[in-house]
Amino acid sequence: DGGITQSPKYLFRKEGQNVTLSCEQNLNHDAMYWYRQDPGQGLRLIYYSQIVNDFQKGDIAEGYSVSREKKESFPLTVTSAQKNPTAFYLCASSIAGTGANVLTFGAGSRLTVL
Amino acid sequence: GQSLEQPSEVTAVEGAIVQINCTYQTSGFYGLSWYQQHDGGAPTFLSYNGLDGLEETGRFSSFLSRSDSYGYLLLQELQMKDSASYFCPGGYSTLTFGKGTMLLVSP
Repeated sequence: DGGITQSPKYLFRKEGQNVTLSCEQNLNHDAMYWYRQDPGQGLRLIYYSQIVNDFQKGDIAEGYSVSREKKESFPLTVTSAQKNPTAFYLCASSIAGTGANVLTFGAGSRLTVL
Repeated sequence: GQSLEQPSEVTAVEGAIVQINCTYQTSGFYGLSWYQQHDGGAPTFLSYNGLDGLEETGRFSSFLSRSDSYGYLLLQELQMKDSASYFCPGGYSTLTFGKGTMLLVSP
């Protein structure tokens, strides 16, 4: 079955450490996205990519980095520069253009900074 | 820029009908989507209105009026499992999500 796989589901990090969240899709979607969600809040866009080897900053890109070396993969690194990284991270994919209105989400990764 | 407004919370009883409204202010707007998110889970796509009018999918219907910058999601024959947060993101190459509406369905 096609879908998006995020790993790990839960992650604990000490302050000052970088962590990388994995996102893999087998839907043959061109576009991929990373969102952050804090308790009781909506989703905020961190980074997105509409094609391999290209990506753009979203609304809250500071302290995060991404790569898009393969169509299927869009990993997110939460760096030590991110001051408040504890959150629920959601990866999504879609066809490009107006297809962005139909997002398929992974199950999410919950990051806690100790 | 883009902004979306929805009620923060709506309550209803099983079997009832509920309407969740969404108003928006956005440039480059290309339609309104609706997503459902259960507590602790990921959002799932419900519907998309690219044109004015009503779209029906089973118990759920979604409406859009671009001249009024307004849309709504209508849920009929409410069930306990419909208790969740509902989002009406809009945009073109990326979606902007508001804080959503928490729907609480009671017996």
